Amino acid sequence: SQTIHQWPATLVQPVGSPLSLECTVEGTSNPNLYWYRQAAGRGLQLLFYSVGIGQISSEVPQNLSASRPQDRQFILSSKKLLLSDSGFYLCAWKSSGVNEQFFGPGTRLTVL
Amino acid sequence: KQEVTQIPAALSVPEGENLVLNCSFTDSAIYNLQWFRQDPGKGLTSLLLIQSSQREQTSGRLNASLDKSSGRSTLYIAASQPGDSATYLCAVRGGADGLTFGKGTHLIIQP
Repeated sequence: SQTIHQWPATLVQPVGSPLSLECTVEGTSNPNLYWYRQAAGRGLQLLFYSVGIGQISSEVPQNLSASRPQDRQFILSSKKLLLSDSGFYLCAWKSSGVNEQFFGPGTRLTVL
Repeated sequence: KQEVTQIPAALSVPEGENLVLNCSFTDSAIYNLQWFRQDPGKGLTSLLLIQSSQREQTSGRLNASLDKSSGRSTLYIAASQPGDSATYLCAVRGGADGLTFGKGTHLIIQP
């Protein structure tokens, strides 16, 4: 069966510090991968998605970037965090040709 | 731009009641609609997915309907239980690959 992992589970970072969140999927090949953010008082917002290694699409302009160095690994990064980057970051995957998306446990990021 | 609205924002009912959660979307050109459950501080659990060509899907005590032309979906929960307490999220997939979410309905089932 397929499993999706995210780490760390929680993170507290000062403004201006770098960020690296990791997501890995097990039990599937060539998945579509997604990064979403859930900010306080707002709905889940799609940040990035990837249909293959090295292929990244960005949905909204922002202070973040994403990379997919391996088939089942998706990384969310920032060079300098802003207060507005605080939120709950969720990674998701789906098989190509299948419509249902499955979500990871999330990372709670607090920027102080 | 697709917008998804969920009504009500919060709902509290006694155990055993049947209830309906509503979801509406502005652009009817969708590929599918997915209902999720989110427990506090946790990720999302997929409940039901309805393809754009389908009218409804059922899983246990849950039934989701889709009226694509009017931009509406409902999630029906039968015989509610305290364990059903959670936030329920509706999301649609349009032309892009990702999902557009509503803000959710926070549901409390009173024992």
